[in-house]
Amino acid sequence: DSGVTQTPKHLITATGQRVTLRCSPRSGDLSVYWYQQSLDQGLQFLIQYYNGEERAKGNILERFSAQQFPDLHSELNLSSLELGDSALYFCASSPRTGGDIQYFGAGTRLSVL
Amino acid sequence: GESVGLHLPTLSVQEGDNSIINCAYSNSASDYFIWYKQESGKGPQFIIDIRSNMDKRQGQRVTVLLNKTVKHLSLQIAATQPGDSAVYFCAEKNTGTASKLTFGTGTRLQVTL
Repeated sequence: DSGVTQTPKHLITATGQRVTLRCSPRSGDLSVYWYQQSLDQGLQFLIQYYNGEERAKGNILERFSAQQFPDLHSELNLSSLELGDSALYFCASSPRTGGDIQYFGAGTRLSVL
Repeated sequence: GESVGLHLPTLSVQEGDNSIINCAYSNSASDYFIWYKQESGKGPQFIIDIRSNMDKRQGQRVTVLLNKTVKHLSLQIAATQPGDSAVYFCAEKNTGTASKLTFGTGTRLQVTL
């Protein structure tokens, strides 16, 4: 168990809908990272938050947004969902940033029908 | 269900033999590298890391070798066990400029009895 908790484990929804994925980092970790894993793209970095502030952005679509709350948990919001958004979404956390090991949660599997 | 791409290179190894998984990384400015193991339906699990000022690092049954000249990383698993069957990813980072990890495409390790 990595100590990173993601909910829900599975989400099934329809095109055009909006969903929220939740992540609780390991105790004491200030950084949260979101990654998308799809069959054709592998693991892709989406966005990082550090102590409530956005720190880095990757290939995140404009339809997607995230935030980190004062208690350090994070949410990834996906809207106007398309079939191609079906993927595994992982959250990772680390104590700070830079050269810290990132520990991953078990992921949320999103299926858009 | 499977959580990674269908067209991964596969390494088949007999139980008890040593495994060597290779990875070519892309950014010559990367100075931190991590190997992750991903079992079906789970998130990436940290195995071992290495910084660019080292050529070799050993853990329990695992060794990582780094060749910066040719931008190559390898993971050696001694006395491979059935529980080692998984997809293995290398990941790289430039700790000075980036927070994100850039993942390789992964290698599927199959351990045969």
